[in-house]
Amino acid sequence: GAVVSQHPSWVICKSGTSVKIECRSLDFQATTMFWYRQFPKQSLMLMATSNEGSKATYEQGVEKDKFLINHASLTLSTLTVTSAHPEDSSFYICSARAGTGALYEQFFGPGTRLTVL
Amino acid sequence: AQTVTQSQPEMSVQEAETVTLSCTYDTSENNYYLFWYKQPPSRQMILVIRQEAYKQQNATENRFSVNFQKAAKSFSLKISDSQLGDTAMYFCAFMKHDDYKLSFGAGTTVTVRA
Repeated sequence: GAVVSQHPSWVICKSGTSVKIECRSLDFQATTMFWYRQFPKQSLMLMATSNEGSKATYEQGVEKDKFLINHASLTLSTLTVTSAHPEDSSFYICSARAGTGALYEQFFGPGTRLTVL
Repeated sequence: AQTVTQSQPEMSVQEAETVTLSCTYDTSENNYYLFWYKQPPSRQMILVIRQEAYKQQNATENRFSVNFQKAAKSFSLKISDSQLGDTAMYFCAFMKHDDYKLSFGAGTTVTVRA
């Protein structure tokens, strides 16, 4: 099956610093990647959609200058949380959609836990 | 925007018994997909089952089956012969055809008791 990885799995950073999270599709080309945020015991909230080679589309209420998304290749998307603050602490999950086959199918990464001190 | 409602925050079931999780959604679309995802303590999202709105037949995957009522906009999940490994949070999700964005419900935590 299709595999999506995320790195790092857990990161702790100081308030005011920036953190980059990588999302990779390991065995398929992902034309579209999605970034979600999940607070403890809550649902996944879509933050943004990124298509390879174009700018990301952000959901309403998500600050695009704070959450920078780059989808530079068909196998890699990155989410950079800039000037992180404690309220940005959360679980961040990416998913990837292949450009062929079952177009509705998304493959999820294992998530990244971000803790901002 | 589509709204997905899961009205049961928590469910508990005895091992080998059956449990049904409810999900309703609100949409004006006619062509869409519905999903149930499982998120165990590891937090890895796992697809349990999928239903295409244009299909009248309810989807089944081994011990998991759905009751899809399009007119009522209802999409419940039945877990039969519950196993300890079924303990997880279950999310109902909606996707418009050609949009590929998932809208998730609030989730139902299922605990299977030995």
